Amino acid sequence: DVKVTQSSRYLVKRTGEKVFLECVQDMDHENMFWYRQDPGLGLRLIYFSYDVKMKEKGDIPEGYSVSREKKERFSLILESASTNQTSMYLCASRTGQSSNSPLHFGNGTRLTVT
Amino acid sequence: AQKITQTQPGMFVQEKEAVTLDCTYDTSDQSYGLFWYKQPSSGEMIFLIYQGSYDEQNATEGRYSLNFQKARKSANLVISASQLGDSAMYFCAMRTSTGRRALTFGSGTRLQVQP
Repeated sequence: DVKVTQSSRYLVKRTGEKVFLECVQDMDHENMFWYRQDPGLGLRLIYFSYDVKMKEKGDIPEGYSVSREKKERFSLILESASTNQTSMYLCASRTGQSSNSPLHFGNGTRLTVT
Repeated sequence: AQKITQTQPGMFVQEKEAVTLDCTYDTSDQSYGLFWYKQPSSGEMIFLIYQGSYDEQNATEGRYSLNFQKARKSANLVISASQLGDSAMYFCAMRTSTGRRALTFGSGTRLQVQP
């Protein structure tokens, strides 16, 4: 089974702090994704990566950056956390071998910015 | 642009009954895939079922089936014989062949199964 692990289940940070959310997958997947989930809005794509050091912006990249130095690890960075970034963050991965393949998700990180 | 619409924010169903969760989509691509995910209160996203745009038969996985109506651009999830453990958020999602590798998600439907 694919395992996607997010380093923290809950995080509380202060406004202006730099925040790192870490995600690791163990299935050698090429593609990795960061979504945020808010009530009534579903999941919105922040960034994704299709290879080491490669990234593309999603629908809501403002205020975020990402890093993918190794294939198994994809980090989401909040450069200067703000209260409107309080949300559930979900990491996912997918193989690039098949267009039918589903996303495999981590358990999420619930971030609160005070 | 791709868009997924789930018009039912919440649904109730009696245990052992069937329920249909609605999903409509918008894309100009001819080749695309539709996915349904379940998210229990614990938060993990569980992949349920997939339907390709060229699949001639509706997808089925155990108690889940996908009522795919291509001309109407709908991909409704049908859960038969509902169980208490089916209470969760359900998300419809789409990926197109010419679009990016990510999935576009709908806003979700919260299903509550009543005993």
